[in-house]
Amino acid sequence: QVQLVESGGGVVQPGRSLRLSCAASGFTFSSYTLHWVRQAPGKGLEWVAVISYDRITKYYADSVKARFTISRDNSKNTLYLQMDSLRTEDTAVYYCARPGTTTHNWFDPWGQGTLVTVSS
Amino acid sequence: DIQMTQSPSSLSASVGDRVTITCRASQGINRWLAWYQQKPGKAPKSLIYAASSLQSGVPSRFSGSGSGTDFTLTIDSLQPEDFATYYCQQYNSYPLTFGGGTKVEIK
Repeated sequence: QVQLVESGGGVVQPGRSLRLSCAASGFTFSSYTLHWVRQAPGKGLEWVAVISYDRITKYYADSVKARFTISRDNSKNTLYLQMDSLRTEDTAVYYCARPGTTTHNWFDPWGQGTLVTVSS
Repeated sequence: DIQMTQSPSSLSASVGDRVTITCRASQGINRWLAWYQQKPGKAPKSLIYAASSLQSGVPSRFSGSGSGTDFTLTIDSLQPEDFATYYCQQYNSYPLTFGGGTKVEIK
């Protein structure tokens, strides 16, 4: 069955860095665009970043542009999110998500999420 | 950026009620709209894609409609397990954007 498992969350001080990972299984990883979506405590969903199946195309939300970097290793079936210059407002549960099809960006499935807390 | 406005932000309903949630896009998105259900402490779950296509395994009491800028999620005969928060999402263009959510509570 299709599965996404995030890891790497934790507590980090403002200005520091953290790298999240998302291990995928149950589907042809190298065929799909992949996304990160976050949710601040008690708030709604915010799309963060996307990377194409071939790693060529990447887009970011304005709120994270120039601070976060999305990447993937198709040989390891793993998606990454490098988060630099973290701010308190980056505190959130971070989900990796796969599109429901290879051509349209609605999300199914989602991972279980990993919590990132940015605090001094 | 395309803004997605959901209404209401919350509602109270009883088991068996029919519930309607609306989502309006700030510009036309054809039918590139999805709906999700989220329960506390859990990841969102896909319900509807392409405005009206039911995701596999989702009960038929859920339905979606609309195109362009105005969309609706309807739950016929609300069940206890349907009390949750619902989000719409446009995937017409980047950045992908979500509505603010609608919390469906027990009356």
